[in-house]
Amino acid sequence: AQSVTQPDIHITVSEGASLELRCNYSYGATPYLFWYVQSPGQGLQLLLKYFSGDTLVQGIKGFEAEFKRSQSSFNLRKPSVHWSDAAEYFCAVGDERTGTASKLTFGTGTRLQVTL
Amino acid sequence: NAGVTQTPKFRVLKTGQSMTLLCAQDMNHEYMYWYRQDPGMGLRLIHYSVGEGTTAKGEVPDGYNVSRLKKQNFLLGLESAAPSQTSVYFCASSYTTGGYTFGSGTRLTVV
Repeated sequence: AQSVTQPDIHITVSEGASLELRCNYSYGATPYLFWYVQSPGQGLQLLLKYFSGDTLVQGIKGFEAEFKRSQSSFNLRKPSVHWSDAAEYFCAVGDERTGTASKLTFGTGTRLQVTL
Repeated sequence: NAGVTQTPKFRVLKTGQSMTLLCAQDMNHEYMYWYRQDPGMGLRLIHYSVGEGTTAKGEVPDGYNVSRLKKQNFLLGLESAAPSQTSVYFCASSYTTGGYTFGSGTRLTVV
């Protein structure tokens, strides 16, 4: 079955610095991949998604992610972090059994702290 | 544009009590899901539905039941609450190829 690993539980960056959050997945074919962001006390908001095609995908709030099949990775990046980006970030993969973007499996999340 | 609405937002139950969490979506999505979120464990799928009148078990279904009598509603029931069910519960809906739209969550404490 599919799985997602986010190796970093907590990351701290300075405002204005670049950011990369790691995500590794296990999946037998080309996966549906997602990044979500969760602010404290809120639900999850979709940042971006990858289905096929261009391996570099752009999302909202200036985020991008790159799909690397050879490394089974889908890392999230942002060139310059703002204090409002402090939140928890979740990577997710679609259902391997049906090959759809339904029934997502989520990673355990990475909490981002931004220092001023 | 409401999206996904969950009620209630907070609830405290005593062990053994029952309750129902309601999820409503207005996007005509076929798929609906219930997840629970616990610290350090991410989101785990409890039950899901691929259409009106159909439900299926997810990763952690024990102690929960669901119903989807109408396409826009997905109910999660706890028949006899246990402290291990203390969690934040999220409902979500989707098409087969899109990302999820999440509700804002229900924080449940079982004492």
